[in-house]
Amino acid sequence: EDKVVQSPLSLVVHEGDTVTLNCSYEVTNFRSLLWYKQEKKAPTFLFMLTSSGIEKKSGRLSSILDKKELFSILNITATQTGDSAVYLCAVEGGSEKLVFGKGTKLTVNP
Amino acid sequence: NAGVTQTPKFQVLKTGQSMTLQCAQDMNHNSMYWYRQDPGMGLRLIYYSASEGTTDKGEVPNGYNVSRLNKREFSLRLESAAPSQTSVYFCASTPRGFLGYEQYFGPGTRLTVT
Repeated sequence: EDKVVQSPLSLVVHEGDTVTLNCSYEVTNFRSLLWYKQEKKAPTFLFMLTSSGIEKKSGRLSSILDKKELFSILNITATQTGDSAVYLCAVEGGSEKLVFGKGTKLTVNP
Repeated sequence: NAGVTQTPKFQVLKTGQSMTLQCAQDMNHNSMYWYRQDPGMGLRLIYYSASEGTTDKGEVPNGYNVSRLNKREFSLRLESAAPSQTSVYFCASTPRGFLGYEQYFGPGTRLTVT
């Protein structure tokens, strides 16, 4: 059975800190790993990582994929209160369905 | 271009009542999905439709039925609602299965069953 585990489940930091969110997975026939940010509504897409694109960066956010060790990290530098959200990791495997982790709840205090 | 729309936004049902959640997308996507999200949990797939005319069970299909009415619309029906179905329901779509495409999510329906 495909499985995605995120850690930590919750994290509280101060503005300006750097945070690293983790996502490990076990899926058959890995195709892609996606990161989403969810505030009080629907998830919004951040990154997609595949075999041909194992590192992505957008502003203060960056993500890498380690296909050998079966994990991904999402880094956020110089955090702001607007980064407070639940960050979801999802993996697409051979079942052609996305399997989601439980998410990491990030709280950034001023 | 509205993307993915869902109705209603909120609903309260009594145990045993039935209702249908509606979802529509205007992006000409082939694949559509229904998820539920419970507190402290990620998204769990209920049903999906890889293309018009096909539907398949996801991780938590019990108590639900779906209809892919046409390419745009994918509805989720609760025949006899139970308190365990209290959740936030999200509809999503992709151009063609996953195959590395991102999913586009609707705004969600918050359902409470008393």
